[in-house]
Amino acid sequence: ETGVTQTPRHLVMGMTNKKSLKCEQHLGHNAMYWYKQSAKKPLELMFVYNFKEQTENNSVPSRFSPECPNSSHLFLHLHTLQPEDSALYLCASSPPDQAQYFGPGTRLTVT
Amino acid sequence: LAKTTQPISMDSYEGQEVNITCSHNNIATNDYITWYQQFPSQGPRFIIQGYKTKVTNEVASLFIPADRKSSTLSLPRVSLSDTAVYYCLVGLSTLGRLYFGRGTQLTVWP
Repeated sequence: ETGVTQTPRHLVMGMTNKKSLKCEQHLGHNAMYWYKQSAKKPLELMFVYNFKEQTENNSVPSRFSPECPNSSHLFLHLHTLQPEDSALYLCASSPPDQAQYFGPGTRLTVT
Repeated sequence: LAKTTQPISMDSYEGQEVNITCSHNNIATNDYITWYQQFPSQGPRFIIQGYKTKVTNEVASLFIPADRKSSTLSLPRVSLSDTAVYYCLVGLSTLGRLYFGRGTQLTVWP
């Protein structure tokens, strides 16, 4: 247990569905991150939030919409996804410029 | 963005010491070096972080030469459960300046 939780752990959704991934940390960290890990590929950084403000968006398609209501919670809203979006989505948190602590991930399958 | 170069794979036997070296020639002055371990379908797990010289914790040691253009993760007396992918990262996390790369697949044999 790293102190970072993600729900749901598994999600199957159709291309016309809207769903949300949730990440929660009570480690007192100010920075939170979303990563995507496709099969046999490196982790891809998607979004960075620092003190609830988005500081990085790595050219992520608009069908992925992040939300950070406070320093402890991070959401990833999903809509009209494509099959190639199927992947492991990982959330992480960290103190400023320190090591990141990852959650267990959400395995997403888009049908 | 400081990219890193690691061996794609390594093999070892139980009880041996394993050293994984990472090259990061364009490391910036403020960058830290961080190593993670990842098992299949799980999030990466923080192992160790350093800036220069040597850092040791209960699971590993990290050796960083003076020029900081490389680093070596040392795992003492590995076991089967150490079979995983190991990533070397260089950068500042909150600036999004982190690159995971493909990591090193370490396989430990009985």
